[in-house]
Amino acid sequence: SAVISQKPSRDICQRGTSLTIQCQVDSQVTMMFWYRQQPGQSLTLIATANQGSEATYESGFVIDKFPISRPNLTFSTLTVSNMSPEDSSIYLCSAARQGAGGELFFGEGSRLTVL
Amino acid sequence: QKEVEQNSGPLSVPEGAIASLNCTYSDRGSQSFFWYRQYYGKSPELIMFIYSNGDKEDGRFTAQLNKASQYVSLLIRDSQPSDSATYLCAVTEVTGGFKTIFGAGTRLFVKA
Repeated sequence: SAVISQKPSRDICQRGTSLTIQCQVDSQVTMMFWYRQQPGQSLTLIATANQGSEATYESGFVIDKFPISRPNLTFSTLTVSNMSPEDSSIYLCSAARQGAGGELFFGEGSRLTVL
Repeated sequence: QKEVEQNSGPLSVPEGAIASLNCTYSDRGSQSFFWYRQYYGKSPELIMFIYSNGDKEDGRFTAQLNKASQYVSLLIRDSQPSDSATYLCAVTEVTGGFKTIFGAGTRLFVKA
């Protein structure tokens, strides 16, 4: 298994500002992902964080809005830029090890409220 | 658009009964299938995974996969109130890049 720490766990932000969420895994993992879970909804994949290169974004998500970094095999950040109330959500960092069947481990999530 | 479909529920069963949760997926290239449980305010946690057609049992949980019908199910035997949660069906694809797509989740209530 892997233990994933995210911070901040929650924040209240003003419209138009940006917030960076950090994700730290306690061991090296092959893949890291960022998901969004809006209230009462399921998980939507934002992007795959690629180590040392640009993230791979899913349809509907763009780098200018959600820049992602992954400088090494245990750490990633997600920035939510120019926030609006529609960005209020829980953002979840997850990780998987190649060859481990695809099981995802999740951080506790970052609950973001935009006023 | 690759999709994973679940009945959102809520599904209500009495304590001790069998809860049956169902899921269909659209991409025939999907290779791995998972059931995650998510308690309110918590992150998802893995319950079961299955890769091959047929049944896989783990304690009170049985996952069933039928790739021809693109259908996955989860049976929970002897349901307990502590099983009350949202159950997320997830499908992992490898071709075109490894990624996991989640269904909307089925809310399960087990009544004591």
